[in-house]
Amino acid sequence: AQSVAQPEDQVNVAEGNPLTVKCTYSVSGNPYLFWYVQYPNRGLQFLLKYITGDNLVKGSYGFEAEFNKSQTSFHLKKPSALVSDSALYFCAVRDGQSGNTPLVFGKGTRLSVIA
Amino acid sequence: GAVVSQHPSRVICKSGTSVKIECRSLDFQATTMFWYRQFPKQSLMLMATSNEGSKATYEQGVEKDKFLINHASLTLSTLTVTSAHPEDSSFYICSARDRGGSQETQYFGPGTRLLVL
Repeated sequence: AQSVAQPEDQVNVAEGNPLTVKCTYSVSGNPYLFWYVQYPNRGLQFLLKYITGDNLVKGSYGFEAEFNKSQTSFHLKKPSALVSDSALYFCAVRDGQSGNTPLVFGKGTRLSVIA
Repeated sequence: GAVVSQHPSRVICKSGTSVKIECRSLDFQATTMFWYRQFPKQSLMLMATSNEGSKATYEQGVEKDKFLINHASLTLSTLTVTSAHPEDSSFYICSARDRGGSQETQYFGPGTRLLVL
C-alpha cells in the first residue's frame, strides 16, 4: 500500500521569500512522485514529477522539488514566492513497479502568500 | 500538455434523481481513467478506476450500483450518480493517463460540482 503525508495544513509566507511545502511518502516499490496545485473550484494542475534520474526536478511556475530517498521526502520549493502562488497544493505518489496503479494523494497544504 | 474536460461543470438536482457526468480526454487516448471525489477542504479520494471496454474497479466503500461508470471509448468515461441524495453532494474530478505518451502523469479534469437538494 502507498501513502502520502503532508504534515502542514497551512503554510504562510511573505511575498518574495522562499517557500517550502513538505511531503513524505510510503511505497513498497519505486516511487513515482508528483505535485499538483488546485485553485478554488478548479481541477488539479500538474506542477512536476519525479520518476527517475536527477533528484532535483524543476517544474512549472518556478517550482522545484527534491527527491530524498533516505528521508522518503519530496518537498516542494520555490526561491521567491508570489501572491499568485496562493492555492492548495497536493503531493501524490504511486508505485512505479505495480503497473497501472492510480495516484494516492496527501491531504493537501494550503499556501498563503502575503503581500 | 494533455487536456481533460468534464461536463457539466456544475449541477444542481433534486434528491432521488440521477446525474451523469462526462469525462473526455482531448487530443489523446486514455485506456484508463480515474474518478475522484473531493469534499470541502479535503483531499481527493479515489472512487474507481475506469478501464476502456471492461468493468470499472471500485475502491472499498464505494457502491458500484450507486456510482455507475461506463468507459465506452478511449476518450470518454461517464459517471452516473443514481438516486442522488444530499450526502452525495461533492466535487467530482476525473483523471486520465495518455495511452500514447508518458504513462506516469495523470491529467485532471476541471471537476464537476454536484449539489443535491
